[in-house]
Amino acid sequence: GQNIDQPTEMTATEGAIVQINCTYQTSGFNGLFWYQQHAGEAPTFLSYNVLDGLEEKGRFSSFLSRSKGYSYLLLKELQMKDSASYLCASMDSNYQLIWGAGTKLIIKP
Amino acid sequence: IAGITQAPTSQILAAGRRMTLRCTQDMRHNAMYWYRQDLGLGLRLIHYSNTAGTTGKGEVPDGYSVSRANTDDFPLTLASAVPSQTSVYFCASSDRENTEAFFGQGTRLTVV
Repeated sequence: GQNIDQPTEMTATEGAIVQINCTYQTSGFNGLFWYQQHAGEAPTFLSYNVLDGLEEKGRFSSFLSRSKGYSYLLLKELQMKDSASYLCASMDSNYQLIWGAGTKLIIKP
Repeated sequence: IAGITQAPTSQILAAGRRMTLRCTQDMRHNAMYWYRQDLGLGLRLIHYSNTAGTTGKGEVPDGYSVSRANTDDFPLTLASAVPSQTSVYFCASSDRENTEAFFGQGTRLTVV
């Protein structure tokens, strides 16, 4: 079956670094997406990886290992506004997104 | 403002009633999607459309129908609402199948 696993909740301190892991099993693979979702709002796109390696975009970076079915989202210099849920989604062979349940990130001062 | 708009924002609906959730985008995106989001679960695809005139079933299509008469609009209809359809519904669109999706603000539906 198809499955996405990510931690339910994480806590980090303002100014610190946090890594949110995601493992996936999908029928075929056409890329791994990360979205941010603030409470009561719509998801917004953060990153897309289809090749192995690290993609850096400002304070946010995303890593992919296709052989391990593994990705992580790295957030640096955490700010209070980064408190949100982070959704991992794998695109299968039919170009359908399979979503994880999301990781709620709590930032403490 | 360019983007994707859903209506209504929230609705309380009596079980057995018919309801259409509206979704309109002005980005000329080919692909559109309807998801439901429930606490503790990931977004689940209800129906999708890769281009105007075509639709397909997602993971949880039962009890829902869609149409795609033109590029901009993608309404979702609940023929006879049941309490298990209480959820937050998101419409999304993307330029192509493997590009980022843009989401509407969501419709919070409660079926009582």
